[in-house]
Amino acid sequence: GDSVVQTEGQVLPSEGDSLIVNCSYETTQYPSLFWYVQYPGEGPQLHLKAMKANDKGRNKGFEAMYRKETTSFHLEKDSVQESDSAVYFCALSGTTSGTYKYIFGTGTRLKVLA
Amino acid sequence: GAGVSQSPRYKVAKRGQDVALRCDPISGHVSLFWYQQALGQGPEFLTYFQNEAQLDKSGLPSDRFFAERPEGSVSTLKIQRTQQEDSAVYLCASSPTQGTADYEQYFGPGTRLTVT
Repeated sequence: GDSVVQTEGQVLPSEGDSLIVNCSYETTQYPSLFWYVQYPGEGPQLHLKAMKANDKGRNKGFEAMYRKETTSFHLEKDSVQESDSAVYFCALSGTTSGTYKYIFGTGTRLKVLA
Repeated sequence: GAGVSQSPRYKVAKRGQDVALRCDPISGHVSLFWYQQALGQGPEFLTYFQNEAQLDKSGLPSDRFFAERPEGSVSTLKIQRTQQEDSAVYLCASSPTQGTADYEQYFGPGTRLTVT
């Protein structure tokens, strides 16, 4: 079935470190891919998106490349800041189970150490 | 402009009680979604409305869960005879489009339900 896998439950970089948060997906369709960010006590909000293979989503220094050949959408940043600390969810839509519904990963908690 | 709002923000129910959770989507948004988010997990799809029509309720975990959107705006998620496993954050999201894959869903802050 359709699924999203985030392998890291938590990452603890220091301020100024580079970051990669892994996201792999499985579907037989051609999904749209998203990263959502969630702050404590709030709902998820869109961080960036990519609609088709080889598209790159960008926002606030973060990037993610839609890689169809490896079915991945890893989130990357060259230099993280303390303010980036939050929970990040990878999600896809446009699958066999419904074009509209999101399928989310389990989330990666990013805590940037000062 | 105003975002998606949900009420109450927190609800404590005794096991067996019925609860009703309200969602006010962004004005004019056609699509409305409910998700359930267990502690430390990602949101999981419950149901989808396009205007007042409930087009997909495949994610509702049991027949104790019921959702409605009678006038195509405000939606209510009702849980009957609550059980401890129903404890979670219930998120509502809306989108301006009719069920396409590439448009952003705007989430509310959620209702945290605790069943004791």
